[in-house]
Amino acid sequence: NAGVTQTPKFQVLKTGQSMTLQCAQDMNHNSMYWYRQDPGMGLRLIYYSASEGTTDKGEVPNGYNVSRLNKREFSLRLESAAPSQTSVYFCASSEERGTSGRFGPGTRLTVL
Amino acid sequence: EDQVTQSPEALRLQEGESSSLNCSYTVSGLRGLFWYRQDPGKGPEFLFTLYSAGEEKEKERLKATLTKKESFLHITAPKPEDSATYLCAVQARNYGQNFVFGPGTRLSVLP
Repeated sequence: NAGVTQTPKFQVLKTGQSMTLQCAQDMNHNSMYWYRQDPGMGLRLIYYSASEGTTDKGEVPNGYNVSRLNKREFSLRLESAAPSQTSVYFCASSEERGTSGRFGPGTRLTVL
Repeated sequence: EDQVTQSPEALRLQEGESSSLNCSYTVSGLRGLFWYRQDPGKGPEFLFTLYSAGEEKEKERLKATLTKKESFLHITAPKPEDSATYLCAVQARNYGQNFVFGPGTRLSVLP
């Protein structure tokens, strides 16, 4: 039981490059989330998926897209990376939307 | 405007020196308040959920309490392994079932 896994752990991009952050959970949770964490600020919700087949915008969705590939996997895509997207990205999942869940280990992204 | 703040920003304690962390919130219609612990380089780990004023939850050396405007995380006789960043998050009517996180308190417990 690995919980929530994220790949990659670290990534450096140049401005304008694209990439996809991968997230998978093995707890049969319905809801999945993507957050970003910046120094001095709380975790901010980018996108969430309340259940398989649905996705919704969170607080800071601009510049990102998501795909809920199946119940286990939820990916986050940066189409054209910007330095403002330098951050640590966390994926999380929970049994139902609004319940406390499990976080992944994070992806540290730097955009030059 | 809905807001979650935490104080202090950082706290250094000697082993055994008890203290409290504060989470203040101004939100419309609190549904729940959550406490997490985050170790460096790792994701947050869930500790407690509180739903109504007067509620208390305990786990080992930690006790969380809730009033109508704030929550406290009391740490009794802390040990070095309690060193971490402690995050609170609120779930409020205006945000549906999503969470709004505070910036966290970085706790260091010195041996």
